[in-house]
Amino acid sequence: DSGVTQTPKHLITATGQRVTLRCSPRSGDLSVYWYQQSLDQGLQFLIQYYNGEERAKGNILERFSAQQFPDLHSELNLSSLELGDSALYFCASSVPGLATYEQYFGPGTRLTVT
Amino acid sequence: GQNIDQPTEMTATEGAIVQINCTYQTSGFNGLFWYQQHAGEAPTFLSYNVLDGLEEKGRFSSFLSRSKGYSYLLLKELQMKDSASYLCAVRDSNYQLIWGAGTKLIIKP
Repeated sequence: DSGVTQTPKHLITATGQRVTLRCSPRSGDLSVYWYQQSLDQGLQFLIQYYNGEERAKGNILERFSAQQFPDLHSELNLSSLELGDSALYFCASSVPGLATYEQYFGPGTRLTVT
Repeated sequence: GQNIDQPTEMTATEGAIVQINCTYQTSGFNGLFWYQQHAGEAPTFLSYNVLDGLEEKGRFSSFLSRSKGYSYLLLKELQMKDSASYLCAVRDSNYQLIWGAGTKLIIKP
């Protein structure tokens, strides 16, 4: 158990709909990262937040948005969903200040768009 | 552009040794990570290299050569549970992680 929690674990929805994925980082971690992983594909970095502010942006579609709240939990909003958005969405957190500050991943949310 | 290359798939035999290579071209270098990911599960951290040389952690070792832009992960005494994907990631000059596509390792009895 990494200490990072994600809800829901599974989500099935229809094309055109909007969903929100939630992530709670490990206690003390200020950075949150969101990743998308389609079937048998590598991790695609979407976005990073640090202490409530956007720090870095990857290949995130305009239909997707995220935010990090004062209690450091984060939400990823996916709208106008398409079949191709079906994937595993991971959240990760890390501790700044450590030499390695490796990322700890949550269990993921499996999104299925039908 | 930034690029990380790993073999797509490798096969090895239980009890044997396997080496998974990773070559990278990134904007700056601030460390290289190896992660293990079982199918449908979250990646888990295996190792970190920032200086040249070998880091050993039980059955797993990771090597780095910064001048060659090269790393490898060495897995000894392979077990069936080592069947997984192994992800190489490099932290660039902006302290962002650039991820490789991963190497799927298949262990046969």
